[in-house]
Amino acid sequence: NAGVTQTPKFQVLKTGQSMTLQCAQDMNHEYMSWYRQDPGMGLRLIHYSVGAGITDQGEVPNGYNVSRSTTEDFPLRLLSAAPSQTSVYFCASSSIYEQYFGPGTRLTVT
Amino acid sequence: GESVGLHLPTLSVQEGDNSIINCAYSNSASDYFIWYKQESGKGPQFIIDIRSNMDKRQGQRVTVLLNKTVKHLSLQIAATQPGDSAVYFCAETRANQAGTALIFGKGTTLSVSS
Repeated sequence: NAGVTQTPKFQVLKTGQSMTLQCAQDMNHEYMSWYRQDPGMGLRLIHYSVGAGITDQGEVPNGYNVSRSTTEDFPLRLLSAAPSQTSVYFCASSSIYEQYFGPGTRLTVT
Repeated sequence: GESVGLHLPTLSVQEGDNSIINCAYSNSASDYFIWYKQESGKGPQFIIDIRSNMDKRQGQRVTVLLNKTVKHLSLQIAATQPGDSAVYFCAETRANQAGTALIFGKGTTLSVSS
């Protein structure tokens, strides 16, 4: 049982490039979420999903897309990276109330 | 607006002391609160939670207190140890967002010296 896994751990992008941050969970949870964490800040919700085929926006969705084709996977896509998207990204998988976080992806956009 | 915040950005204690970390929330509709611990380079780790129908909940060395009258939440850590050094976040959620959307405060950095 690996819990929540995220890849890559680190990534550097140039402005305008696109990429996908991967997130997978093996706990058969319906709920999954993406957060970003900026220095000195708490986590802010980007997008979330309550089950396969269902996604919705969080606090800071602009510049990010998600999809949920399977229960296990919830990728986050940056279509055209901007320096403002430099951050640490955490994926979370949850049962009805308790959230389990992945180890994070540190993204730098130059 | 709706927000969850912490009173102090940093807290320094001696090993063995009790630590108290505070949090204020603004939305009286929130019905579930969680404390997370985040160590450097890692994701948040669940510590303890409390529902709005309770005012106190105890775990191992930790206690969470909820005062709905003044919208205040606190985390008490007994006999603080160097391994407790981390950033602590409170988070709130609402029944219709259970399991999905948490609103986090900005965090308190706890430093424990031996």
